[in-house]
Amino acid sequence: SSELTQDPAVSVALGQTVRITCQGDGLRGYYASWYQQKPGQAPVLVIYANNNRPSGIPDRFSGSSSGNTSSLTITGAQAEDEADYYCDSRDSSDNRVVLFGGGTKLTVL
Amino acid sequence: QVQLQESGPGLVKPSETLSLTCTVSGGSISSGSYYWSWIRQPPGKGLECIGNIYYSGSTKYNPSLKGRLTISIDTSNNQFSLNLSSVTAADTAVYYCARDLIYSSSYFDSWGQGILVTVSS
Repeated sequence: SSELTQDPAVSVALGQTVRITCQGDGLRGYYASWYQQKPGQAPVLVIYANNNRPSGIPDRFSGSSSGNTSSLTITGAQAEDEADYYCDSRDSSDNRVVLFGGGTKLTVL
Repeated sequence: QVQLQESGPGLVKPSETLSLTCTVSGGSISSGSYYWSWIRQPPGKGLECIGNIYYSGSTKYNPSLKGRLTISIDTSNNQFSLNLSSVTAADTAVYYCARDLIYSSSYFDSWGQGILVTVSS
């Protein structure tokens, strides 16, 4: 499949835990990465290879994957986590074919 | 730390060609560990990878651009470029250049700040 599906919007109370999901058949055969994008800014990588955090990303961000679903979890959401989040995966036979999810707008209440 | 910077006109007329350049600093574009990519984002919408290039010149284009896209690389100046012909208002977007790590799990580890290109007469 060439599509990755995300919920358009999710909200979380300050300090609580939120999970943002990404679904697609392609996720059965390839890793997912996640990007955070704040208004007017470029996306920033927060998770790669399903569950790895780049240096500088707070450890409240974590990732997981099972079957056709990958998830980004924020444990103890902060006000500064309010942003759009995009998942990214690849065609399992050609990693140059990039698939982006439609994005999830996270609101921290 | 590698940095990427897009440059080019912010306004293009319909039917003309959109041309952008990405200048890479702090790292070599000739590294065999990366693809160099163009990603765009229409106002208020999501991300779309429109194509990428390897240091050898090998390219991969999004089929949705239907032959309008050309990506080239200039290793001597550490730059890569995008040409999108016959533009319409639908091509109005923020265009990002990004570095795509070639690995068992590829991902974009560095992005430019983006440049808004408006297609309008």
